[in-house]
Amino acid sequence: DTEVTQTPKHLVMGMTNKKSLKCEQHMGHRAMYWYKQKAKKPPELMFVYSYEKLSINESVPSRFSPECPNSSLLNLHLHALQPEDSALYLCASSQAEAASTDTQYFGPGTRLTVL
Amino acid sequence: DQQVKQNSPSLSVQEGRISILNCDYTNSMFDYFLWYKKYPAEGPTFLISISSIKDKNEDGRFTVFLNKSAKHLSLHIVPSQPGDSAVYFCAASGGANNLFFGTGTRLTVIP
Repeated sequence: DTEVTQTPKHLVMGMTNKKSLKCEQHMGHRAMYWYKQKAKKPPELMFVYSYEKLSINESVPSRFSPECPNSSLLNLHLHALQPEDSALYLCASSQAEAASTDTQYFGPGTRLTVL
Repeated sequence: DQQVKQNSPSLSVQEGRISILNCDYTNSMFDYFLWYKKYPAEGPTFLISISSIKDKNEDGRFTVFLNKSAKHLSLHIVPSQPGDSAVYFCAASGGANNLFFGTGTRLTVIP
């Protein structure tokens, strides 16, 4: 089983709203990731959690706030977003972060539209 | 600066023939390479990978070739099937598990 689930599938929010994206995996993976993908562009890394601790933050604006409540769950809290933040947000997980040879498995993504 | 490049945005192949998707990279520290397949409105699906200690890895109809001296890898699909039609992303990593993706190649397999 290599399933990563994400909810919601689609989200439309205004610039003053607060919302959260959720990601879950039950593969026992200890590294989880958030990526952002704009249309016709490759996925770009936002955050990496390793053993429930934030290990990489790729200079993401503070209006995006990640949270890892436990080893299976990863949230992305959104507040005061801008229309240019509209994108597909992808969650991924891998066995462990330390080895670069760990394969990352992706969820289906949340399509976010900011009005 | 794009460290992983897929210079062909699209490729069309007849069913039953070979599909060859190419990828180039610039960072010699990359030591693990992956191919993902992506359908519209879905996340990337892992297809096949190769470590830098190998030059070929095969899994069924999919074979990945790595040429380290040329910093080039390719994905061969044979025989191609209509269900293979999707966008294929090449990705590379070199420690810290930060995956760098290419811009993707849209493969269309014509029945």
